[in-house]
Amino acid sequence: GAVVSQHPSWVICKSGTSVKIECRSLDFQATTMFWYRQFPKQSLMLMATSNEGSKATYEQGVEKDKFLINHASLTLSTLTVTSAHPEDSSFYICSASRQGDTYEQYFGPGTRLTVT
Amino acid sequence: QKEVEQNSGPLSVPEGAIASLNCTYSDRGSQSFFWYRQYSGKSPELIMFIYSNGDKEDGRFTAQLNKASQYVSLLIRDSQPSDSATYLCAVTGDYKLSFGAGTTVTVRA
Repeated sequence: GAVVSQHPSWVICKSGTSVKIECRSLDFQATTMFWYRQFPKQSLMLMATSNEGSKATYEQGVEKDKFLINHASLTLSTLTVTSAHPEDSSFYICSASRQGDTYEQYFGPGTRLTVT
Repeated sequence: QKEVEQNSGPLSVPEGAIASLNCTYSDRGSQSFFWYRQYSGKSPELIMFIYSNGDKEDGRFTAQLNKASQYVSLLIRDSQPSDSATYLCAVTGDYKLSFGAGTTVTVRA
């Protein structure tokens, strides 16, 4: 149990366009979902935390108008990278926690974004 | 975010040996500690977690926690080539995980 999926697994887009990444918890209800970004040879950096039906909480330095997060249901969160630029190219990973698992997070497989 | 430091790698060990990974954290209020394994191009997968001081064993893996020293470690016994990966230490005291930079382990056949 506790499977998280992401779609797409990889995407290439042109500079200036927007890209939406979906994160779904397949067999549990996710009270909280997290979005991370990982650049090559670096660790995961938390971008934002979202709870169903609430506005996302962004980490310091993350532009909330550029990285739009919507947590419409207990099984789906989306991250939209607006007006993407080459420096936004990265590995985006979501995770989810379920009710009762205070600290454990279940990670999705990640989405590789390349902006040309 | 909380600071999490891991011993710099890469760490190269022969097959069958013990790999020892270390992690220190800055926030004394941290309560839960996780070790993740990440293969290149993949997302992290949980190896084990530890909440209490002492040792916790799971198969070939042993996590050790010393809250007084703000130190957590991971031992991999009988290392296998499939253990070659980057190992991430993560710490939390609330609902957010703070990750270390990771230690890359290479197991030589």
